[in-house]
Amino acid sequence: KQEVTQIPAALSVPEGENLVLNCSFTDSAIYNLQWFRQDPGKGLTSLLLIQSSQREQTSGRLNASLDKSSGRSTLYIAASQPGDSATYLCAVKSGGSNYKLTFGKGTLLTVNP
Amino acid sequence: SQTIHQWPATLVQPVGSPLSLECTVEGTSNPNLYWYRQAAGRGLQLLFYSVGIGQISSEVPQNLSASRPQDRQFILSSKKLLLSDSGFYLCAWSPGNPYNEQFFGPGTRLTVL
Repeated sequence: KQEVTQIPAALSVPEGENLVLNCSFTDSAIYNLQWFRQDPGKGLTSLLLIQSSQREQTSGRLNASLDKSSGRSTLYIAASQPGDSATYLCAVKSGGSNYKLTFGKGTLLTVNP
Repeated sequence: SQTIHQWPATLVQPVGSPLSLECTVEGTSNPNLYWYRQAAGRGLQLLFYSVGIGQISSEVPQNLSASRPQDRQFILSSKKLLLSDSGFYLCAWSPGNPYNEQFFGPGTRLTVL
């Protein structure tokens, strides 16, 4: 059974700081890994998708890496801004015909002005 | 472009009352559809998924059921709500292959009193 863990559970940083969020998964037989952002009371916004054959993906100030063999991914946020404050969720897609996502519990990020 | 809708946005229901939440997707055909529940401290839990009309798979035993009467319509139901059914319900869709992103709707906040 796939399990996804995110560390830390919460992170508070001053504006402008670079930061790294961590995600680990127990079963390396994945199709891909997806990072999401969730604002309070809202749905999930997809940030980055990394296929199992890829090592990293970049979008603006965000960079996600994947080390499938060790079951780890990181989300790097450069020059953080208060608008980056949200919960960041990592999810891996694996298994059978349903292509389901297994989620971590998320990292609550607060960027202080 | 594709759009996913959920309604209602919020719902307060008494224990023992019925439930019907609706999700529709626009701009795509034959999507995989998913219902998730997000409860405080527990992360996102996959409840149901569907790979086609009338095809529903349940991930966990519970007081809920799902139906897919049309290609792009997914309904979550209950005959009698329990207090433990409270949570944030998210519908998602993805193309029918494992290498694509999964996209989420805005969610429905359900409070059972």
